[in-house]
Amino acid sequence: QVQVVQSGAEVKKPGASVKVSCKASGYTFFGYYIHWVRQAPGQGLEWMGWINPSSGGTNYAQKFQGRVTMTRDTSISTVYMELSSLKSDDTAVYYCARGVAGEIDSWGQGTLVTVSS
Amino acid sequence: DIQMTQSPSSLSASVGDRVTVTCQASQDISNYLNWYQQKPGKAPKLLIYDASNLEKGVPSRFSGSGSGTDFTFTISSLQPEDIATYYCQQYDNVLPYTFGQGTKLEIK
Repeated sequence: QVQVVQSGAEVKKPGASVKVSCKASGYTFFGYYIHWVRQAPGQGLEWMGWINPSSGGTNYAQKFQGRVTMTRDTSISTVYMELSSLKSDDTAVYYCARGVAGEIDSWGQGTLVTVSS
Repeated sequence: DIQMTQSPSSLSASVGDRVTVTCQASQDISNYLNWYQQKPGKAPKLLIYDASNLEKGVPSRFSGSGSGTDFTFTISSLQPEDIATYYCQQYDNVLPYTFGQGTKLEIK
């Protein structure tokens, strides 16, 4: 079955970077984009961008341009999202999810990133 | 960015009730609209794609309609397991994809 499994929770200091991994299985890795969506505590969903695992091409929300980098390792069907210059309001659950165009149909379990001094 | 205005922000209904949530886009998005269900502490789950298509395995009491700027999500007969927050999401060609602010559904 389709599975998207993320790395564990992280605690970072302001100004640091975090890199979250997302391993896909149960489907053709190159056939679907991987989206990243975050959710601050008690808040709604915020789309950050996507990566095309086949080409490595990316598209980021302008809000995160310059701070986010999405990459992939095709040998292990894994995608990474790195967010730099962390601030306290980056504290959130970060989700990766498989998508066909904008239809996001299989979500990871989420990774809590806490930014605190 | 395309703004998605979802209403109501919260809703209390009884088991068996018909429940309706609306989502309005700030510009024409054709039918590029999805609906998700999110239960506390869990990842969102896709229920409806392309405004009106039921995702495989989702109960038929869930439905969606609309096109252009105005969309509706309906639960025909509310069940206890439907308690969750529901989000609309647009995926028109203009990035970023954006979500509505969510509708928290509670049992009366």
